[in-house]
Amino acid sequence: QLQLQESGPGLVKPSETLSLTCNVSGGSISGSSSYYWGWIRQPPGKGLEWIASIYYSGSTYYDPSLKSRVTISIDTSKSQFSLKLTSVTAADTAVYYCARRPVAAHHVWFDPWGPGTLVTVSS
Amino acid sequence: DIQMTQSPSSVSASVGDRVTITCRASQGISTWLAWYQQKPGKAPRLLIYAASSLQSGVPSRFSGSGSGTDFTLTISSLQPEDFATYYCQQGNTFPSTFGQGTRLEIK
Repeated sequence: QLQLQESGPGLVKPSETLSLTCNVSGGSISGSSSYYWGWIRQPPGKGLEWIASIYYSGSTYYDPSLKSRVTISIDTSKSQFSLKLTSVTAADTAVYYCARRPVAAHHVWFDPWGPGTLVTVSS
Repeated sequence: DIQMTQSPSSVSASVGDRVTITCRASQGISTWLAWYQQKPGKAPRLLIYAASSLQSGVPSRFSGSGSGTDFTLTISSLQPEDFATYYCQQGNTFPSTFGQGTRLEIK
């Protein structure tokens, strides 16, 4: 059964870079040619926001509102993918989830998801 | 971006009730819509995709319908484990966007 697990610092200072990794187990990232791997976040008490997605080949897609600050990458040898968000502010405080979605156009639904990790931006 | 508006924002219901949650898109999205359930402190769980297809393992009391701009999620007979927040998500137009959520509470 495919499982995803986020990891990274829970506290980041304003203006610094948020870095998270999602470890995928129970299946292969490189063998999953039918899926994208993505990041979604949820500010405390608020709704969900898609951030970025990546294919095993390295093709990337970013939310336009975050594109200038976000980088998503993948390391198939380690079966993991990562997120970097630069110049963070308090508005970037959120639970960050990693998840998988089908590669077919319009099939943007995510399943499964990691349990999520809370990242707080504060000095 | 396409705006997804859910109604109501919150609803109270009792075990055994039939509940319907609505999601409206700011422009037509065909049937490219998914529904998720989220419990406190947990990740969202995919319930419905392509507007009406039931995800594997999801109880049949959950159903989805709609196309274009108006969609519904129906729970035919509420169970205690169904009290949660529900989100819709559109996949017709990049970037994908979510509704603000509907909180389903116990009456």
